[in-house]
Amino acid sequence: RKEVEQDPGPFNVPEGATVAFNCTYSNSASQSFFWYRQDCRKEPKLLMSVYSSGNEDGRFTAQLNRASQYISLLIRDSKLSDSATYLCVVNLPGRRALTFGSGTRLQVQP
Amino acid sequence: EPEVTQTPSHQVTQMGQEVILRCVPISNHLYFYWYRQILGQKVEFLVSFYNNEISEKSEIFDDQFSVERPDGSNFTLKIRSTKLEDSAMYFCASASGTGNQETQYFGPGTRLLVL
Repeated sequence: RKEVEQDPGPFNVPEGATVAFNCTYSNSASQSFFWYRQDCRKEPKLLMSVYSSGNEDGRFTAQLNRASQYISLLIRDSKLSDSATYLCVVNLPGRRALTFGSGTRLQVQP
Repeated sequence: EPEVTQTPSHQVTQMGQEVILRCVPISNHLYFYWYRQILGQKVEFLVSFYNNEISEKSEIFDDQFSVERPDGSNFTLKIRSTKLEDSAMYFCASASGTGNQETQYFGPGTRLLVL
C-alpha cells in the first residue's frame, strides 16, 4: 500500500465551483500533514498545514480524520489561478523528511 | 520575503560525469533537504542535513550521492557518476526546525538531464 495516496484526477471544474480532494495515508502514527501546491515544472509551495481540529484559510479548508487516516482539501469559489497539482504531504513518525502523494491535478475552466 | 535559491536552473551532462547542484537555503534555517522529482512522478526525499552532518537519507541516496555545506551559506548535492535514471528535477528545501509542524521551503529546482 502506498504511504500517501491521492486520486490523480484531473478534476475539470468551472470557475466559481467548489471542489474537494481527498488523500489517505497508511501509517496511523503519522504526525504532521500538509497540502502543497505545485504548478507545472515548478517547486512545491506550501498551501496550508492541516491541524486535527481542521483549519481554514480564505477559500481553502483542510480537514484531518485520524480514525480513517484521510485528509481533505476543499476549495470554494474556484479561480482560474487555482489550476495546479495539489500534493498531499505527510511526516512519517520520527522523521522530518516529507512523504509526498502523487498529486491531484485541478483544471479550472472559464 | 527570504527564499531558497538554486543553481544552475538547468544542467545537461553525459552519463558517467560528475555534477554538483548548489543551493542557498534561507539564512536562519538549520535543516536542509534534497528531494528529486522524475518527470511525471512524485516528489521523493533524498537526504536531510543538520549540524553539518546527514541526519536522514533514503534508499535512493546511495554511494553515488554526497552532500556538503562547504561554507556558511551553500548546500551542495554531488552526483559522482551520473546515470540516465538520475535525470530529474532536484529540489533543495530548508526549514527553521522550530514548532510542531515545521514548514519546509523549496527552491525553484535544478533540472538535470543525463544523456
